[in-house]
Amino acid sequence: NAGVTQTPKFQVLKTGQSMTLQCAQDMNHNSMYWYRQDPGMGLRLIYYSASEGTTDKGEVPNGYNVSRLNKREFSLRLESAAPSQTSVYFCASSDEPGLPWEQYFGPGTRLTVT
Amino acid sequence: AQSVAQPEDQVNVAEGNPLTVKCTYSVSGNPYLFWYVQYPNRGLQFLLKYITGDNLVKGSYGFEAEFNKSQTSFHLKKPSALVSDSALYFCAVRDPGNTPLVFGKGTRLSVIA
Repeated sequence: NAGVTQTPKFQVLKTGQSMTLQCAQDMNHNSMYWYRQDPGMGLRLIYYSASEGTTDKGEVPNGYNVSRLNKREFSLRLESAAPSQTSVYFCASSDEPGLPWEQYFGPGTRLTVT
Repeated sequence: AQSVAQPEDQVNVAEGNPLTVKCTYSVSGNPYLFWYVQYPNRGLQFLLKYITGDNLVKGSYGFEAEFNKSQTSFHLKKPSALVSDSALYFCAVRDPGNTPLVFGKGTRLSVIA
């Protein structure tokens, strides 16, 4: 039982390049989330998907797109990377909506945009 | 809109002493409150949550938290700190609707031997 997996673990991009961060969970959870973590800023929600087939914007969605490919997978795409998107990205899943279940986090992707 | 504040960026405590990591919140209605811990180069791990009922909530690794509605606080506590408790701690809140969780900025706990 792997929980939440993310690929890649590290990535360096040049400004303007694109990339997709992959996330998969094997807990049959309904909801999935993408966060970014920056020093002194805590975790900020980029996008979330409350169920397969739905996605919603979080606090900081600009510059990102997401796809809920199926119940297991939720990808985050940067179409034209900018230095301001240098961050650590975390994917998470939970058994919501409904009761307030805890979220399970992946190990993160450390992205540097030069 | 819901919000959460962790007033201390850093907390230092000697091993064996009690520790407290503070959290205050703002939410419409009754809050759902969570604590998570992050060890270096890892994702966040769930520690405990308050949904309803007893104001004192017990969680993983000997941690507990007390919900105080009048002070809108949910402080994390442990009677005797371990060096291995050194990590980054996040408080989070959501309201009773299906709105996403909102995280605080985190408090770095350093337990000194």
